[in-house]
Amino acid sequence: DAKTTQPTSMDCAEGRAANLPCNHSTISGNEYVYWYRQIHSQGPQYIIHGLKNNETNEMASLIITEDRKSSTLILPHATLRDTAVYYCIVRVVAGGSYIPTFGRGTSLIVHP
Amino acid sequence: GAGVSQSPRYKVAKRGQDVALRCDPISGHVSLFWYQQALGQGPEFLTYFQNEAQLDKSGLPSDRFFAERPEGSVSTLKIQRTQQEDSAVYLCASSLDLHTQYFGPGTRLTVL
Repeated sequence: DAKTTQPTSMDCAEGRAANLPCNHSTISGNEYVYWYRQIHSQGPQYIIHGLKNNETNEMASLIITEDRKSSTLILPHATLRDTAVYYCIVRVVAGGSYIPTFGRGTSLIVHP
Repeated sequence: GAGVSQSPRYKVAKRGQDVALRCDPISGHVSLFWYQQALGQGPEFLTYFQNEAQLDKSGLPSDRFFAERPEGSVSTLKIQRTQQEDSAVYLCASSLDLHTQYFGPGTRLTVL
């Protein structure tokens, strides 16, 4: 599985866009990029995933570079409730599911 | 609808005691996962079920750890002869599709 590199921490002003980068330079062609987040004292929460194309849902947008070696998770209008640890995961889907390797993630602090 | 639930939410055990942690997945979810999360770290995979079949138990740290899902729904993670290094949050997740896992709130185990 491709390893990921994320900044340890970031901060963002409430109402502004939060752009969380992830490097995955050894990603394989059949590996997906997933993002989860974990708010303090809760279980992780799925945000979004993608293979090649950019993706958008009600929570966030995922921008994957053309060479797929890096990606950015965008929270368009960050709120205080978006303060959490954000995990970028790359993994192939095998055996009918996938098993994520979380790493330490990026601690995002959204301030007023 | 109801999400993944776990019980107990908190468990304190004396070293050497056996503990049993319960996970109730989302109804109809075929896949079920257990993770261990140490303080300040990301979740680490323990084991994976598809229905009642345990397809992967490569993450179980020792033979003191045992998981079962006899009827393909509720799962129990059992830890025998607990040790201090077993202190962690134990997370359960269930999944219906290939990509998205829904996590429970976790059980915080403290071994004294």
